[in-house]
Amino acid sequence: AQTVTQSQPEMSVQEAETVTLSCTYDTSESDYYLFWYKQPPSRQMILVIRQEAYKQQNATENRFSVNFQKAAKSFSLKISDSQLGDAAMYFCALAPGDQGAQKLVFGQGTRLTINP
Amino acid sequence: DGGITQSPKYLFRKEGQNVTLSCEQNLNHDAMYWYRQDPGQGLRLIYYSQIVNDFQKGDIAEGYSVSREKKESFPLTVTSAQKNPTAFYLCASSIGFLLYNEQFFGPGTRLTVL
Repeated sequence: AQTVTQSQPEMSVQEAETVTLSCTYDTSESDYYLFWYKQPPSRQMILVIRQEAYKQQNATENRFSVNFQKAAKSFSLKISDSQLGDAAMYFCALAPGDQGAQKLVFGQGTRLTINP
Repeated sequence: DGGITQSPKYLFRKEGQNVTLSCEQNLNHDAMYWYRQDPGQGLRLIYYSQIVNDFQKGDIAEGYSVSREKKESFPLTVTSAQKNPTAFYLCASSIGFLLYNEQFFGPGTRLTVL
């Protein structure tokens, strides 16, 4: 079975500071993708960043970067220079290779609050 | 503008009634998905379709049905067999059905059973 666990239901950070959201997963597949999706108050999900399991280099998208630790099955998201617009629910998701394709397994989410 | 539309935004249903949620995309995507979101939980996959006239059950398909007669449309019917249908429903699409394909999401429909 594929599982994704986000152990932090809520996080808060001061504007302009850095915050890290945690995610652990479990899969027996050697090939898979990991994603972070953002759900702002509008509730429309938006892709933040993605990482292929075969790539050792951590993905980066502007202020967003990941720390992918394959052996530990850990996939944390770091947000640098936090902005008020970053306030949202963040979901970690796994696309396991045994499904052949894009059957995402989501974590429970972390609600991020940005304090001005 | 290309995107995914879901209607209605809010839907109320009496117990024992079937109801259909609409999902339309003009992104020319082959794959489409339906998810259910409950408070404090992540998204769970109900049904997905890789191509027109084909669809597969996801993790929580019981009490739901879908059709995919057109590439751009993937309606979801919540039947009376669904024991606890009150939830937020999200539709998504992706250009293909590969591991790395980004899923684009609609704005969602909140269904409340009275």
